Amino acid sequence: DVKVTQSSRYLVKRTGEKVFLECVQDMDHENMFWYRQDPGLGLRLIYFSYDVKMKEKGDIPEGYSVSREKKERFSLILESASTNQTSMYLCASRNTVSTNEKLFFGSGTQLSVL
Amino acid sequence: AQTVTQSQPEMSVQEAETVTLSCTYDTSESDYYLFWYKQPPSRQMILVIRQEAYKQQNATENRFSVNFQKAAKSFSLKISDSQLGDAAMYFCACVQGGSEKLVFGKGTKLTVNP
Repeated sequence: DVKVTQSSRYLVKRTGEKVFLECVQDMDHENMFWYRQDPGLGLRLIYFSYDVKMKEKGDIPEGYSVSREKKERFSLILESASTNQTSMYLCASRNTVSTNEKLFFGSGTQLSVL
Repeated sequence: AQTVTQSQPEMSVQEAETVTLSCTYDTSESDYYLFWYKQPPSRQMILVIRQEAYKQQNATENRFSVNFQKAAKSFSLKISDSQLGDAAMYFCACVQGGSEKLVFGKGTKLTVNP
């Protein structure tokens, strides 16, 4: 089975800190994604990557950046964390055989910015 | 732009009964794919069922089936013989063919009563 691992389940940071959220997948998937999940808003795409060093903005990229130096690892970076970035962050991956390939998700990181 | 609407923030069902979760979507494309994902309390999102828009036959996966009404842009999920383990958040999602941007609805929280 595909495994998508997010480094932290819970994280508490201070306003202004630089925050790294790490995600690793073990199935050689080309595509990796970062979503943000908020109650009443569903999942919103922050960034995705379709290859090493390649990235594309999603619907809400402001305040975030990403890094993909190796195929299996996709990092989400909050350059200067703010309280409105308190949220659940979900990483996902999938292969690119066809558009209807399912996403494999990590278990999420609940980030609190104080 | 695509939109996905889930009009029921919460639903409940008695164990062994049947429940239907609603989803409508809007897309200008003729080539697209629809999904239902489940997020239990463990937060691990998993695919429940998927449907290709070009297929007229409704998808089924064991106790889960969809009612795909293409003209009405409706994609409801029917859960038969509901089990306690079906309690979760359910998200409807849509992606256009050739795109990586999966758009999610806001979710429906399903409670299963013993």
